[in-house]
Amino acid sequence: AQSVTQLDSHVSVSEGTPVLLRCNYSSSYSPSLFWYVQHPNKGLQLLLKYTSAATLVKGINGFEAEFKKSETSFHLTKPSAHMSDAAEYFCVVRDFNDYKLSFGAGTTVTVRA
Amino acid sequence: GAGVSQSPSNKVTEKGKDVELRCDPISGHTALYWYRQSLGQGLEFLIYFQGNSAPDKSGLPSDRFSAERTGGSVSTLTIQRTQQEDSAVYLCASSLVGLAGDNEQFFGPGTRLTVL
Repeated sequence: AQSVTQLDSHVSVSEGTPVLLRCNYSSSYSPSLFWYVQHPNKGLQLLLKYTSAATLVKGINGFEAEFKKSETSFHLTKPSAHMSDAAEYFCVVRDFNDYKLSFGAGTTVTVRA
Repeated sequence: GAGVSQSPSNKVTEKGKDVELRCDPISGHTALYWYRQSLGQGLEFLIYFQGNSAPDKSGLPSDRFSAERTGGSVSTLTIQRTQQEDSAVYLCASSLVGLAGDNEQFFGPGTRLTVL
């Protein structure tokens, strides 16, 4: 069985400072891992994905995440937050050769001017 | 190109009524999924279609929920005798294939269902 724990329900940062969103996962098989972003009243948008290639994954809008198997973590980072990054972020896991996505509870990001 | 579309975007209904939610996947995507996003439960999987068949209905919360897909394209999620706990955002996603290969899921904007 697969599951995801997002360690922070809410993160507040100042514009121009780094963002760190923490995610730990549990998976029976070699997982695929994703980060999705959801802006208010919008659909889910894929930020980046890890599918057993490079452990450091670069995504859209300057985000990146590092897969650490030993720590079962997949934390999301961005060096410099922008006001437009204010949204809810979901860490998602999918077991190898499965189709079902398991979502974390989400982290709400607030960006202060 | 066109993404996944869902209709209606908002639906308000009275307890006990039936509702139908529609999903139009990306053209050529063989796999289609329904998820539900609610305050208490977060985002949860409901059902998966490969073509017109639903090999996994394990996430449907009760027998009041059903879904079908026709022509390998449009899908309808039906909730009978709606209850207040059915209030949620219902999300549809599609992917090129279901298992193996490139099965990145693309999500629609969702239908917000409110049961009064």
